[in-house]
Amino acid sequence: QVTLRESGPALVKPKQTLTLTCTFSGFSLNTGGMCVNWIRQPPGKALEWLARIDWDDEKYYNTSLTTRLTISKDTSKNQVVLTMTSMDPADTATYYCARDYGAFGDYWGQGILVTVSS
Amino acid sequence: DIQLTQSPSSLSASVGDRVTITCRASQGISTYLNWFQQKPGRAPKLLIHSASSLQGGVPSRFSGSGSGTEFTLTISSLQPDDFATYYCLQTHALHSFGQGTKVDI
Repeated sequence: QVTLRESGPALVKPKQTLTLTCTFSGFSLNTGGMCVNWIRQPPGKALEWLARIDWDDEKYYNTSLTTRLTISKDTSKNQVVLTMTSMDPADTATYYCARDYGAFGDYWGQGILVTVSS
Repeated sequence: DIQLTQSPSSLSASVGDRVTITCRASQGISTYLNWFQQKPGRAPKLLIHSASSLQGGVPSRFSGSGSGTEFTLTISSLQPDDFATYYCLQTHALHSFGQGTKVDI
């Protein structure tokens, strides 16, 4: 059974760095073709793709956020970590991780709401 | 960057209606397009991948078509469970989502 779960702080202050962890089970990021993505959704707004990491450690970022994002993986722990620097209230959103194994988004985590406020 | 434009942004429909949502890409993306359904407070659910392939477990009333720059999601007979927001996503060059189409009563 494939599951993903996001974890991290619910509240961060402006200018701080956000670190989110996606812990997954039921698949391995050592498997060829496997990828994990991060996506966010501000309240009442559309989905926005943030970053992706592949089984071979290739990394891809949203071009408008690339200077603020870092994605990494720990295959021994079945985790993918996303860091976002210089947080702003406009970054308040629900953050999701989602698997891609031939079809982007075949499995998603439940999401974590992160609020940026002083 | 590739932009996706969905139309309409919202629509009102009744149970049993045939519903069509369009997604246009700013440049050709072959068939690298997925469709998702999202209900309030829930993660998106994959309906269609590769423009027209129905994801396992998704009812056959959902179908997708198109290639290049124009794509459609069709619900052949709207059911009460289908009232939701629908998003397209391109996977041709990095990734980007459309702005969403809300389907309500």
